[in-house]
Amino acid sequence: QKEVEQDPGPLSVPEGAIVSLNCTYSNSAFQYFMWYRQYSRKGPELLMYTYSSGNKEDGRFTAQVDKSSKYISLFIRDSQPSDSATYLCAMIGQGAQKLVFGQGTRLTINP
Amino acid sequence: ETGVTQTPRHLVMGMTNKKSLKCEQHLGHNAMYWYKQSAKKPLELMFVYSLEERVENNSVPSRFSPECPNSSHLFLHLHTLQPEDSALYLCASSQLTSGSNEQFFGPGTRLTVL
Repeated sequence: QKEVEQDPGPLSVPEGAIVSLNCTYSNSAFQYFMWYRQYSRKGPELLMYTYSSGNKEDGRFTAQVDKSSKYISLFIRDSQPSDSATYLCAMIGQGAQKLVFGQGTRLTINP
Repeated sequence: ETGVTQTPRHLVMGMTNKKSLKCEQHLGHNAMYWYKQSAKKPLELMFVYSLEERVENNSVPSRFSPECPNSSHLFLHLHTLQPEDSALYLCASSQLTSGSNEQFFGPGTRLTVL
């Protein structure tokens, strides 16, 4: 079993839709959870991170962590064509050095 | 320059060539990383340097040789590569005392081995 599972997609939705991206994980030691956005031919860009369970909101983006279910989500409201990218989840335990990444979900927002 | 920079952005090399990838971070971080990103696979951690000491080597073949001369610079020396080594090579940096170890990535070097 992979430590982090993420559906690679591709996921295609119309502009303005609410997008839900998800990852599951197996290691209960993970405490920090991150979402990276990667545009084509670019490096990943840190979008959001959360510590332990709960929600975090930043503009149109909301990150949710449910540690009891070992499940994290990223919601994008009022999606825009500029949101088209690959979204990678990543997580790490307290004091650890190695981030563990999901495979990434390729998202396309259609005008 | 800001953030993490990588050169060259694209590299094509033959199997017998020797080349080097360069990474520089302008964030004052104390850890640097090399990752390999292949199509349809998760990011693969190759090497970690913490305070200029190599702390992790994820069973990477010896044809990849990292070098970290100081906390701001990281190199990946390449020799006698195989076509399956073609991938996007990403450098990242972080501040290990931040707790969350948020990593900041460079734009990557797209490597093609012929």
